Amino acid sequence: DAGVIQSPRHEVTEMGQEVTLRCKPISGHNSLFWYRQTMMRGLELLIYFNNNVPIDDSGMPEDRFSAKMPNASFSTLKIQPSEPRDSAVYFCASSSRSTGSEAFFGQGTRLTVV
Amino acid sequence: ILNVEQSPQSLHVQEGDSTNFTCSFPSSNFYALHWYRWETAKSPEALFVMTLNGDEKKKGRISATLNTKEGYSYLYIKGSQPEDSATYLCAFQTGGFKTIFGAGTRLFVKA
Repeated sequence: DAGVIQSPRHEVTEMGQEVTLRCKPISGHNSLFWYRQTMMRGLELLIYFNNNVPIDDSGMPEDRFSAKMPNASFSTLKIQPSEPRDSAVYFCASSSRSTGSEAFFGQGTRLTVV
Repeated sequence: ILNVEQSPQSLHVQEGDSTNFTCSFPSSNFYALHWYRWETAKSPEALFVMTLNGDEKKKGRISATLNTKEGYSYLYIKGSQPEDSATYLCAFQTGGFKTIFGAGTRLFVKA
């Protein structure tokens, strides 16, 4: 398996634009997590899905952020409209309870909003 | 509020030194405790996942212990090497599958 795949790896956008980050979890994993990493706050959980259903989105900073998981092999994190303070590295991770719930991380998307 | 605390925040050791870090987490609604190793410009890599009180895991020179009753875990590195330099994250996972990360301990091993 290729692991968790995120795209794009880097994204530079202007303030006010819509940004969509994509994630393909490891095949067979039924839990998917979106994290944001910043210097100030470290690694924060934004939202996680279990069997494609959002379980807890309390970490989503505000209504400008939304996440979907239309099927077991794809998830998106959308920011609309984007702001400079959204600049961060966004990680997606997946895990399966059958493997002891170890999470595997993607390479991350570095987002810069100017 | 679920809080995971790691100490120390950073650590500088000489090659060959043995070292350990602490992770403190809530003792209720426990499902699992994870340790990750995170090198700069890479993604976190899983080291251990522990679920039972008293669990001990070992991988080469790195080992970890778990005490769920008092809410702490230790990570030990024996004979540190420069390639061990990284940030070590612990993550507490609840019964609802929510995962909370600590801020990490940043280890610097000098040759």
